[in-house]
Amino acid sequence: AQSVSQHNHHVILSEAASLELGCNYSYGGTVNLFWYVQYPGQHLQLLLKYFSGDPLVKGIKGFEAEFIKSKFSFNLRKPSVQWSDTAEYFCAVNAIGSGTYKYIFGTGTRLKVLA
Amino acid sequence: GAGVSQSPSNKVTEKGKDVELRCDPISGHTALYWYRQSLGQGLEFLIYFQGNSAPDKSGLPSDRFSAERTGGSVSTLTIQRTQQEDSAVYLCASTPSGNYEQYFGPGTRLTVT
Repeated sequence: AQSVSQHNHHVILSEAASLELGCNYSYGGTVNLFWYVQYPGQHLQLLLKYFSGDPLVKGIKGFEAEFIKSKFSFNLRKPSVQWSDTAEYFCAVNAIGSGTYKYIFGTGTRLKVLA
Repeated sequence: GAGVSQSPSNKVTEKGKDVELRCDPISGHTALYWYRQSLGQGLEFLIYFQGNSAPDKSGLPSDRFSAERTGGSVSTLTIQRTQQEDSAVYLCASTPSGNYEQYFGPGTRLTVT
């Protein structure tokens, strides 16, 4: 069965620190990969996505993620976080050709940025 | 334009009662998903509708859960004989044809007392 692992459940950083959130998935075929963010009191919104092509994708607010196929990973990065990045971050996978269009989400990482 | 809307935003019910949760997807979106978000559990897939195809119900946790989508638009998630473990935020998302990006609604917070 497909699964998504986010190893960091809670992360606390000071402003200007660099961020890397891990995401690993289990599926041997082609995948679409996503990071979603949920700011306090708001609904989930797309941060960035990877379908094909350049494995380094850039999203909104200075976030980027790198797809490493050999490691089944899609880690999220930001060189310098801001207080406003405090949110919960979810990695998601859509397995192409699996016979379904359902998405598998990780358990999320709560990021707190200290001003 | 209008996003995905869900109603009610909050629902408190007594154990054993039935509840209905509603989702209005973005107009024209062909796919509709229901998820359950529990504290520390991430998003748990429940059910997925795509156009006129049979829904993928593989995520429904028990036969107390059911969902329908009328006219390819509005969807209702029904939970019968609610239990305390059903307490969670129920999220709906829709996707346009040919696009894999999901647009989420604000969710319905269900509390079973």
